[in-house]
Amino acid sequence: KAGVTQTPRYLIKTRGQQVTLSCSPISGHRSVSWYQQTPGQGLQFLFEYFSETQRNKGNFPGRFSGRQFSNSRSEMNVSTLELGDSALYLCASSVGTSGSLEQFFGPGTRLTVL
Amino acid sequence: KQEVTQIPAALSVPEGENLVLNCSFTDSAIYNLQWFRQDPGKGLTSLLLIQSSQREQTSGRLNASLDKSSGRSTLYIAASQPGDSATYLCAVSSNYQLIWGAGTKLIIKP
Repeated sequence: KAGVTQTPRYLIKTRGQQVTLSCSPISGHRSVSWYQQTPGQGLQFLFEYFSETQRNKGNFPGRFSGRQFSNSRSEMNVSTLELGDSALYLCASSVGTSGSLEQFFGPGTRLTVL
Repeated sequence: KQEVTQIPAALSVPEGENLVLNCSFTDSAIYNLQWFRQDPGKGLTSLLLIQSSQREQTSGRLNASLDKSSGRSTLYIAASQPGDSATYLCAVSSNYQLIWGAGTKLIIKP
C-alpha cells in the first residue's frame, strides 16, 4: 500500500506570492491533517480535514487555508507569503477523525520564501 | 492548554549504551502518545504509538512507556548504534490534533 505523498517536495517563492501544496493520503484514509515545522516554533498543527470538511483548525492567520476533495486528497494554500512562512510542511493521514487513530506522515514539502 | 516538554534537548552517548529519552505533558486527557524520529532535512518516521489505555509498547530495541497519571512517557533505546542518531519527537493526541514536544537531538558516537 502506498504511503502518504506530498508534492512538490521543494518550493522556492518570493514574498507576496501565493503557493499551493498537495497531499495524497493512504488509500482508504479519509482524514488529512497539516502541520508546519520551523526551527523556532517546532511542529504546529494547521488544520484537519475529514470528508471534505475542515474539522479542526490551529492558531494560524487566515492566509493559510486548505481544502479536501472527494477522493480525500488535500491541498493547502498560503497567500501573500512572508519570510516567516519558510518551513517544512507535513501532512498526515488517518482512517478517521477519532483522536485515538494513528496518523501517518508524508515526506513533507520544504517551502523557502525569499 | 496541553503542553509537551522533552528533556534533554540534546544527548550524546557512546555506541552500545542504553539510553532513555523523556517526554512530559501537562494534561492527562490524551487519546494516545506517539514517538517519532526525524533525520536532518527529512520527514517523520513513526516509531511507536501508545494508546491511552496502554502502559508500554515495544519494537525491536525500542520500548516506550506511558504513565498518564503523572503525565510522562519514556523512550528506551537499547544497545544504541550510530544509525540511531536523529532527533526524537514525542506527540500527544489531544483535542483532535497532535501536540508536539521540541525534540531530543541524539548523537551516538562510534
